Amino acid sequence: GAVVSQHPSRVICKSGTSVKIECRSLDFQATTMFWYRQFPKKSLMLMATSNEGSKATYEQGVEKDKFLINHASLTLSTLTVTSAHPEDSSFYICSARFPSGAPGGTQYFGPGTRLTVL
Amino acid sequence: AQTVTQSQPEMSVQEAETVTLSCTYDTSESDYYLFWYKQPPSRQMILVIRQEAYKQQNATENRFSVNFQKAAKSFSLKISDSQLGDAAMYFCASGNRDDKIIFGKGTRLHILP
Repeated sequence: GAVVSQHPSRVICKSGTSVKIECRSLDFQATTMFWYRQFPKKSLMLMATSNEGSKATYEQGVEKDKFLINHASLTLSTLTVTSAHPEDSSFYICSARFPSGAPGGTQYFGPGTRLTVL
Repeated sequence: AQTVTQSQPEMSVQEAETVTLSCTYDTSESDYYLFWYKQPPSRQMILVIRQEAYKQQNATENRFSVNFQKAAKSFSLKISDSQLGDAAMYFCASGNRDDKIIFGKGTRLHILP
């Protein structure tokens, strides 16, 4: 149980285009999902908390207009990198809390998406 | 604010031996949770073990166990009978009731055959 998927696993795009990354909880409902960014050989940096049916909460320094998050259902959150530039190239990881609704639930992670912006 | 410190960037252990990874944390929360996650070369984050701060008993999961010293704010991970598949980056993490998880910088563990 508690499986999280991400799609795509790898994407290459041209500078100036937008890219959408999907995060799905496959066998449970997730009212809260999280988006992280990881640079090579570095730790995970929390970007935002995605709440089903409401606006995402962004961490300090993360541009909400640049990284659009939508959590339209209990099993799907999407991260759209708008007008991507080479500095946005990174590994993006999502996670979902299980059990949903219970404080201190464990976060289960998707396999990540490697974004390369040319 | 929460902070998590892993002071060992890299460690090596002989296969079948025991290794301990260190972690210290700081939090103003009274209700918090501690985790060890493993990130192998595939980069999939895998939960290794979880500890609720209100529990005094150390969590154990097969060959993995923790030494949770609440007063010292220490949360080390012991891996017994190390196997080649244990080679990975290990992240210590702290979470609160809001479920934000703060990660340490990680310790890369090498298993020597």
